[in-house]
Amino acid sequence: QKEVEQNSGPLSVPEGAIASLNCTYSDRGSQSFFWYRQYSGKSPELIMSIYSNGDKEDGRFTAQLNKASQYVSLLIRDSQPSDSATYLCAVEWQPNAGKSTFGDGTTLTVKP
Amino acid sequence: DGGITQSPKYLFRKEGQNVTLSCEQNLNHDAMYWYRQDPGQGLRLIYYSQIVNDFQKGDIAEGYSVSREKKESFPLTVTSAQKNPTAFYLCASSHDREGYNEQFFGPGTRLTVL
Repeated sequence: QKEVEQNSGPLSVPEGAIASLNCTYSDRGSQSFFWYRQYSGKSPELIMSIYSNGDKEDGRFTAQLNKASQYVSLLIRDSQPSDSATYLCAVEWQPNAGKSTFGDGTTLTVKP
Repeated sequence: DGGITQSPKYLFRKEGQNVTLSCEQNLNHDAMYWYRQDPGQGLRLIYYSQIVNDFQKGDIAEGYSVSREKKESFPLTVTSAQKNPTAFYLCASSHDREGYNEQFFGPGTRLTVL
């Protein structure tokens, strides 16, 4: 059974700080990695995708992928109270598999 | 506006009844998915379809059935064989291009068994 592991949290950071969310996965050959944000009672929305080792930046969000160590992380700079949500990591195990496996998510609270 | 719609938003079912959840997309996506989410948990894959008239079981398909007669539509039936169906059901779609399985979600249906 291929697994995606996330620290369930809750993770609490003060407004303006950097929030760091981590995800590990079990299959070294995995190709595609995604971060989704889910507000309480709502459906997930895609915020970042990453396919190559290294960093990918989009505004205040940076995704970091290290395939050798089998982890992917999401950094949120200048955290805002509106970033308070659950963040889900998803992994597509092989190209064109047609499906991804989701972790259970990390709940982030940004305190004003 | 392009997007994914799910209906109804809330659904109440009596034990022993089958119910069907609707999912429609106008994004011209090839692949569609159904997930179940229980409180405090992640998403568990029920069924997925990469092409019309074809679908595959996910991790928790028992007690559920689907059809994919049109590219735009992927309805999910929760049968009486599903013993604990109360959950938040999410439909998603993606282009399903190789290595780019970015999924976009509908607003979800909350199913409660009375």
